[in-house]
Amino acid sequence: DQQVKQNSPSLSVQEGRISILNCDYTNSMFDYFLWYKKYPAEGPTFLISISSIKDKNEDGRFTVFLNKSAKHLSLHIVPSQPGDSAVYFCAATAGYGGATNKLIFGTGTLLAVQP
Amino acid sequence: DAGVIQSPRHEVTEMGQEVTLRCKPISGHNSLFWYRQTMMRGLELLIYFNNNVPIDDSGMPEDRFSAKMPNASFSTLKIQPSEPRDSAVYFCASSWTDQLYEQYFGPGTRLTVT
Repeated sequence: DQQVKQNSPSLSVQEGRISILNCDYTNSMFDYFLWYKKYPAEGPTFLISISSIKDKNEDGRFTVFLNKSAKHLSLHIVPSQPGDSAVYFCAATAGYGGATNKLIFGTGTLLAVQP
Repeated sequence: DAGVIQSPRHEVTEMGQEVTLRCKPISGHNSLFWYRQTMMRGLELLIYFNNNVPIDDSGMPEDRFSAKMPNASFSTLKIQPSEPRDSAVYFCASSWTDQLYEQYFGPGTRLTVT
């Protein structure tokens, strides 16, 4: 029972164009969402996050959008660069600010940015 | 800072053997997590510790898996006996509890059980 779903296993984008990675969730209790990036032979690294009280958070070339009614979030990368080629994991958690910091991850999307 | 350290990086073993994976969290972090990555299920949380105490082990697949954290700078994940379906990449991550969800991951251990 996947509570966090990334339905696109892979995405290919031209350098300089926009990359849009999507994530859906089923648990309405989730109130904080994160994206992690993973290069081969390395562990995931934190990229950007968003609280459920917001619908958008921006950090340089990376923007995360949250649509709570649709239980959907997306990560936009503009412009895409070859160094962005990696696996991107969406993660969610319930109880932000509480005693637990348990993350539920999706299956990941492999982004390939073509020069 | 050396980051989260995991050993070994690769482990190949035969079915039925005991496997022990090791993790050294970032100094000062008080939460530690063990994850397993597979193609089908992505990153699954197996167990996490807060101040060396196991908080949630609901992700541990079965009794063959056990984890310990004897002190703030060391944790182990043991599989006994190992089975081919345990083949995966196992990650350890750590964080400060008040930093909530920004977890720092180690490079992972790729386990192959033949």
